[in-house]
Amino acid sequence: DQQVKQNSPSLSVQEGRISILNCDYTNSMFDYFLWYKKYPAEGPTFLISISSIKDKNEDGRFTVFLNKSAKHLSLHIVPSQPGDSAVYFCALSSGTYKYIFGTGTRLKVLA
Amino acid sequence: EAQVTQNPRYLITVTGKKLTVTCSQNMNHEYMSWYRQDPGLGLRQIYYSMNVEVTDKGDVPEGYKVSRKEKRNFPLILESPSPNQTSLYFCASSLTGSGEQYFGPGTRLTVT
Repeated sequence: DQQVKQNSPSLSVQEGRISILNCDYTNSMFDYFLWYKKYPAEGPTFLISISSIKDKNEDGRFTVFLNKSAKHLSLHIVPSQPGDSAVYFCALSSGTYKYIFGTGTRLKVLA
Repeated sequence: EAQVTQNPRYLITVTGKKLTVTCSQNMNHEYMSWYRQDPGLGLRQIYYSMNVEVTDKGDVPEGYKVSRKEKRNFPLILESPSPNQTSLYFCASSLTGSGEQYFGPGTRLTVT
C-alpha cells in the first residue's frame, strides 16, 4: 500500500517550457513536503520544500504547490533547462523522524 | 566542505558473509538515516537515528542492523546478506528529523 505516488515515471519537455511534476499522497498526517533531484551515480540533493501551513513556495525557477484537500503536491520548473534532466523524488515527513519517498519521475529536457 | 561520505561505493559479496557499510557526516547533524533504492520502488527508509544511542526502524528494517555510538558515524550492518538485499544504499543526515536531508553518494551492493 503505497502512501506516496508519482504516477508519471517519465516526462519529456522542450527547453524553455514549463515542467510539472506531480506527487499524490494518501495520509493527512504528513506536515512537511520536500522535492529532491537525483543525477546518475550521485545521491539525491534537496531542491525545495513546503510546510503544511502554506500552499505555495518559490525559489527561483522552482515552485512547489500543495493542495491539502486533494492530497496533491506539484513541482513547477520554469523555464526548463537541459541541466534539469534528472530523476525527481517527492518526500513527505510527519514530524516523527520518518520520511516516505515517492517512486520518482525521470525528467528529460530537450534542447 | 559539508558532506556525507559512504564506504565502500561498490561491493560484491556472497550470501551470508557479514558486511558493514560506513557512513560519516561532518555537519554535526543530530539525525541520520539509511535508505535503499530499488527500481520502481523509490527510496525506502531502513533505519534512522535521532541522536547518539537512539535508533529506530524505518519501513524496511528486516535483515539490517545499525548503531550510533558517535554523532558523526552511522554504520549499516548486514549480518547475513541475502540476494534480495542487492540494492543501491544511501545514507543521509539532517539537523532535525523533519527537514532537508543531505545524502551520501550511495553504495551499490550486489549479493550473489
